[in-house]
Amino acid sequence: DIQVTQSPSTLSASVGDSVTITCRASQSISIWLAWYQQKPGKVPKLLIYRASFLQGEVPSRFSGSGSDTEFTLTITNLQPDDSATYYCQQYSGQGGQATFGQGTKLEIK
Amino acid sequence: EEQLVESGGGLIKPGGSLRLSCAASGFNFRAAWMSWVRQAPGKGLEWIGRIVSNSYGGTADYAASVRGRFTISRDDLGNTLYLHMNSLKTEDTAVYYCSTWDSGLWGQGTLVTVSS
Repeated sequence: DIQVTQSPSTLSASVGDSVTITCRASQSISIWLAWYQQKPGKVPKLLIYRASFLQGEVPSRFSGSGSDTEFTLTITNLQPDDSATYYCQQYSGQGGQATFGQGTKLEIK
Repeated sequence: EEQLVESGGGLIKPGGSLRLSCAASGFNFRAAWMSWVRQAPGKGLEWIGRIVSNSYGGTADYAASVRGRFTISRDDLGNTLYLHMNSLKTEDTAVYYCSTWDSGLWGQGTLVTVSS
């Protein structure tokens, strides 16, 4: 099974800063990676799919990049509303499997 | 409006069985590949299984943690996805979400509590 390692596990930044979260897959998943945002008590919200495609009405402050085994989510001009836990998910379907990263809790100071 | 609505959660004793349902509306459910994802209290997201559309064979795959105990099925006429859970363990306690495989549509979740 493909393992996904997400880092860091926690992150603290100020309004207006930029942050980057990394996700590494144990084998190549091409661009089959998504990023989700989850706030406490809420349903996860899709931000990025196929590594770099912005979903729907997600602000352009969010961007994704990468392919193969290394991926990043970058959030620029941080806003208080960006405080949440972010998850990557590989959905290459290899072996019929998908996997979530462990999550990154982002605190806005 | 595209929507997924889960139901069927509740309190169940260890070793028991439960069936969750996920009613889909507003999109072509017949063509959709669907997943179940769970989240234990205070923990991260765990993908537990997927079923492909019947045009791709309608087969299901599972995470190792539930393989052999959980079964995913679908009723395309009724636009409903199911998760049949057997031999439940306390560690299966979680909010269970249904979702589309790759388009980011999720239900609101249903809580399953396994406890004696």
